[in-house]
Amino acid sequence: QVQLQESGPGLVKPSQTLSLTCTVSGGAIRSGGYYWSWIRQHPGKGLEWIGYIYDSGSTFYNPSLNSRVTISVDTSKNQFSLKLSSVTAADTAVYYCARDVAGTGWFDPWGQGTLVTVSS
Amino acid sequence: QSVLTQPPSASGTPGQRVTISCSGSSSNIGSNYVYWYQQLPGTAPKLLIYRNNQRPSGVPDRFSGSKSGTSASLAISGLRSEDEADYYCAAWDDSLSGPGVFGGGTKLTVL
Repeated sequence: QVQLQESGPGLVKPSQTLSLTCTVSGGAIRSGGYYWSWIRQHPGKGLEWIGYIYDSGSTFYNPSLNSRVTISVDTSKNQFSLKLSSVTAADTAVYYCARDVAGTGWFDPWGQGTLVTVSS
Repeated sequence: QSVLTQPPSASGTPGQRVTISCSGSSSNIGSNYVYWYQQLPGTAPKLLIYRNNQRPSGVPDRFSGSKSGTSASLAISGLRSEDEADYYCAAWDDSLSGPGVFGGGTKLTVL
């Protein structure tokens, strides 16, 4: 059974780059044609899709974040990563990694989520 | 403001049947599958319904999904206290050429 786990700093200073890693266990990240995704949830708010990296290495980002987002994969470590540059307090959120089964919003499973606070 | 529209709250008593709606447009719900997620307090969302009306293994058949035109619904029958959670709908949106879109979420209270 595939499981995902986010890791990274819980506190990032304004204007710096937020970096998170999602470790996939129970299955190879480069198998099955999945879309490895990042989603965030602002405190007390709804869900926002950030982007994904496809099995082949292609990426697709939310246009509202496109210029600041980079998602990459490290198959040797069975991990994929998120970098969000020039962060502000508005980027404070719980960040989830998830596997999108078909690239259509079919997210299963999800990581437990990690809270990232942007503050000086 | 979310692309998909859900009522912010819903409620019911144990044993009752409740329905949560999700309204979109021809570029999202009207032409793509709808997914539903359940988020219990303090936990990550969990897939509840995929491809409009399919239940993953382990999800009770008390939960059902439907879609008609540019709207979708999640129905919960035989309401239980443990169903108290936030529920989100999701779909792909062709016109945005990118992101999957979520509804704003519905907080279900079991009275």
